[in-house]
Amino acid sequence: GAGVSQSPRYKVAKRGQDVALRCDPISGHVSLFWYQQALGQGPEFLTYFQNEAQLDKSGLPSDRFFAERPEGSVSTLKIQRTQQEDSAVYLCASSLRSFGDTDTQYFGPGTRLTVL
Amino acid sequence: AQKITQTQPGMFVQEKEAVTLDCTYDTSDPSYGLFWYKQPSSGEMIFLIYQGSYDQQNATEGRYSLNFQKARKSANLVISASQLGDSAMYFCAMREGNSGNTPLVFGKGTRLSVIA
Repeated sequence: GAGVSQSPRYKVAKRGQDVALRCDPISGHVSLFWYQQALGQGPEFLTYFQNEAQLDKSGLPSDRFFAERPEGSVSTLKIQRTQQEDSAVYLCASSLRSFGDTDTQYFGPGTRLTVL
Repeated sequence: AQKITQTQPGMFVQEKEAVTLDCTYDTSDPSYGLFWYKQPSSGEMIFLIYQGSYDQQNATEGRYSLNFQKARKSANLVISASQLGDSAMYFCAMREGNSGNTPLVFGKGTRLSVIA
């Protein structure tokens, strides 16, 4: 079946521009996570949704970052007034349930954001 | 303190040989899960294997096995019969607690290069 998809795969923005990154999780998956991966590092957690509810946004680095999942499926990560330090790969992951210690997160291919 | 430590920035292995990628973790939670992901140059994080803290036996998935030593807090990944397609970044990750809505914490990764 179809995996997690993300678009665009690559995004170049001028400093100060707003960007929107889209994630299509695996159909029926309840949980959705966003991670940020800086060059040469492991991914770091940004925010978590259970269906349409954003239950954890503790990892969002500033109030310029905003995420939504209005109908409990597709999610959008928006970054306002982009800065050079926002340059990274943004990964989306989904998992079937919101409970269960064996629940595996499946990742999309990521969006590589470059801010000039 | 780092929750996940991967001490090998890079590893080389001859094709068809076995290789061990090291991972140590730090948690005071008695319930946790350990994951390994592979990230090829395309960027997608591919789930490889999972080990729960209460699992009595080491996890295995095809050519992948996890050498889980709970007292030492280590969860090393063993890849048997390496193939050229195994060349990639490998990340160890941990989820604390037994809830599927807890985000993963990743190590910095190990770059594996398989030599013909």
